[in-house]
Amino acid sequence: GAVVSQHPSRVICKSGTSVKIECRSLDFQATTMFWYRQFPKQSLMLMATSNEGSKATYEQGVEKDKFLINHASLTLSTLTVTSAHPEDSSFYICSALPLGFLSPLHFGNGTRLTVT
Amino acid sequence: DQQVKQNSPSLSVQEGRISILNCDYTNSMFDYFLWYKKYPAEGPTFLISISSIKDKNEDGRFTVFLNKSAKHLSLHIVPSQPGDSAVYFCAASGSGNQFYFGTGTSLTVIP
Repeated sequence: GAVVSQHPSRVICKSGTSVKIECRSLDFQATTMFWYRQFPKQSLMLMATSNEGSKATYEQGVEKDKFLINHASLTLSTLTVTSAHPEDSSFYICSALPLGFLSPLHFGNGTRLTVT
Repeated sequence: DQQVKQNSPSLSVQEGRISILNCDYTNSMFDYFLWYKKYPAEGPTFLISISSIKDKNEDGRFTVFLNKSAKHLSLHIVPSQPGDSAVYFCAASGSGNQFYFGTGTSLTVIP
């Protein structure tokens, strides 16, 4: 089946530093990848849509200068949390959409970010 | 505005019985519907999907029903097993690549 690898699974960083999270589709190509954030006991919140070769589309209220997204190839998208603060601590999940009609989204296993 | 709604935040079912998870949507342009299962601290796992040209799709213990006139879909799990305990998200998609997720229903299967 389609596999999406997200790395790292867990990261702890100091306030003011930047953290990069990678999302790779291992056995399929994805022109579109999505980045979500999940707060405790809450639903998935879509942060941005990442399209290969073009700028990401950010949801309302998501700071594009803080959450930098790069989708350099059909199998890799990265999310960089710049100048992280404790309020950025969260569970970040990526998903990838395979090419083709009526394809389901496939999710990575998430990254637990803790900013101290 | 929430276009996909799961009105039951939680559900408890006895092992061996049927679990029925419900989902409503508002956008009649949605033509592809999916169910995902999520364990804590993991990403959602795709379970089953259905296109709008069908009203039922079955895969093992999982069956998804779609009622387009009511804009309602449901996931039936039978028989329910303790390992099915998780949060279940429904999702819908129309033209384009956007997927809209419900807020999830936490299923607990009691042994």
